Amino acid sequence: EAGVAQSPRYKIIEKRQSVAFWCNPISGHATLYWYQQILGQGPKLLIQFQNNGVVDDSQLPKDRFSAERLKGVDSTLKIQPAKLEDSAVYLCASSSSGSLWDTQYFGPGTRLTVL
Amino acid sequence: EDQVTQSPEALRLQEGESSSLNCSYTVSGLRGLFWYRQDPGKGPEFLFTLYSAGEEKEKERLKATLTKKESFLHITAPKPEDSATYLCAAYLFQGAQKLVFGQGTRLTINP
Repeated sequence: EAGVAQSPRYKIIEKRQSVAFWCNPISGHATLYWYQQILGQGPKLLIQFQNNGVVDDSQLPKDRFSAERLKGVDSTLKIQPAKLEDSAVYLCASSSSGSLWDTQYFGPGTRLTVL
Repeated sequence: EDQVTQSPEALRLQEGESSSLNCSYTVSGLRGLFWYRQDPGKGPEFLFTLYSAGEEKEKERLKATLTKKESFLHITAPKPEDSATYLCAAYLFQGAQKLVFGQGTRLTINP
């Protein structure tokens, strides 16, 4: 079974530029999550999708971050404009049910550096 | 504010030297606790779910335990391949579900 795929793996941008990350979850998984992991910290949930719909985006900085999940499969996370403090690893995860209780399978992450 | 704190931040052991990692939490609405392993350049990998105080789970050289205020990950006779960052996460329900991760313990096992 293929795991969660993410691209790109690394991205370096200047502050105020925009950037987008892509995630393809495990086939058949209804729920998709985006996390932000700052160096030396645990992951912080940014947004949770159940199929096409947003379940929880309470910790997403909506003035600069946006996310969508097209046709209930792939998802993109965008930052526009980026700030220095956005430097982090962005992790995508998926699970078969809509509960945070369910086992989540994580992708390798995209490491973003904002200069 | 819900807080999950792991200690120590980093731990270096010799191969075969047993030890424990701690995950303490000050939260409301705890429904369970997860342990994950994270290798450099990879996403977290699920290890255990603990549901209630007194529960224990084992997998190879790892054993996770849970009390009302903290959880321990015991590692017995570790090998170099056990080197990784270990994360705990509290699953909460406060009208809505919430998952709060600790900052992790970076474990290094020297041969």
